[in-house]
Order: sequence, then C-alpha cells, then structure tokens
Amino acid sequence: AQRVTQPEKLLSVFKGAPVELKCNYSYSGSPELFWYVQYSRQRLQLLLRHISRESIKGFTADLNKGETSFHLKKPFAQEEDSAMYYCALEAGNMLTFGGGTRLMVKP
Amino acid sequence: SQTIHQWPATLVQPVGSPLSLECTVEGTSNPNLYWYRQAAGRGLQLLFYSVGIGQISSEVPQNLSASRPQDRQFILSSKKLLLSDSGFYLCAWSLTGPKNIQYFGAGTRLSVL
Repeated sequence: AQRVTQPEKLLSVFKGAPVELKCNYSYSGSPELFWYVQYSRQRLQLLLRHISRESIKGFTADLNKGETSFHLKKPFAQEEDSAMYYCALEAGNMLTFGGGTRLMVKP
Repeated sequence: SQTIHQWPATLVQPVGSPLSLECTVEGTSNPNLYWYRQAAGRGLQLLFYSVGIGQISSEVPQNLSASRPQDRQFILSSKKLLLSDSGFYLCAWSLTGPKNIQYFGAGTRLSVL
C-alpha cells in the first residue's frame, strides 16, 4: 500500500528566507505526486503536480525517485505563503495524503 | 464551470444521533466523488470514493456509510454518532480516470458531544 510522509508538522521561517517542505513516499508503482495547499479560510486546492514541471507562486517540486521524495521548495518565502500544505500520491483514482505541514512565514 | 457544494458548514450533534452530510457537484457528468476526514492534528484520510451511481468503495472500517443516489450527489451518513466521529469532513470530485486533479468542497466541521 502507498504511504506519504511529511515529517514536519510545523515549519516557521522569516520572510525572504528559503523554504523546503519535505515529502517522502512509498509506492511500488510509478508515482503521480501533487502538492495541495489550504490558505486560511479557503478551500483545499491544488498547488502543483509533478507531471506539469511548472513553478506556481514561486514554488517548485522535483520528484526524486531514488530518494522517493517530492520536496516543495521556494527560494524566498512571502507572508502570503503561510498555509497548510499537503503532499499527495495518486494511485488509481485515489489520493493518499501526508499528514500536512503548516508553514508560517514571519515578517 | 464546475462547482462543488457541501453542507452544512458546521454541525453539532449529540452522541448516538444520526448524521447526514450532503455534497453535490455541478457542471460535470459522471465525476469521481470522495469523502475525506481530517481529525484534529492529523492529515486527510480517505473514507469513501465512488466512480458511479450506487458504486461505493470504503477505505477504512468505521461508523460511517456513504451513498450516491444520483450522478452528482454524494451523501455521508451514520446511524449513531460516536465521539470519535468528530472532525472536519471534506467532499471532493475529479474527472474520471487516473492522474486527475481533485477539487474540494468547503468542508463540514462536525462536533459530536
């Protein structure tokens, strides 16, 4: 069975500092990975997916199959990045979510 | 455009009472539908998913059940709520097939007292 682990429940950084939210997965097949984000008082929504290989709001994530990781990175954090971030792995029609990391960007 | 509606937004129920949470999707046909629960301090846990009317798959044994009486309607139910059923419940939909983005409702916060 697939599993997604986000080792940090809370990550606090200062504005302008680099940020990396860690995600590790275990899955026997070819993984399809996503990052979802939930800003305060907003719905959970897709941030980015690895097959798109795009940068959204300055965030990027690279799939490392050797390390089974899909870490989310941003070189310069902004206060508006404060939110709950979930890494998710898709298998079949289902998503398996990690426990989530709350990112707090301090001024 | 597609929209997903979930209600009620908040619900306070006594232990042993029944539960019915409703989710509807507009603007698409034959979506995949999902119910998740987010317990305090924990991540999202998939409870049920459905690929069609009357087709329900359960991911974890629990005190809850789901039904899909219409193509774009997904209902989460319980006959007798437990304290441990408290949490934040999210409904989501996606297009059929793999590798599709899931779109989430606003959620229902259930408190069982």
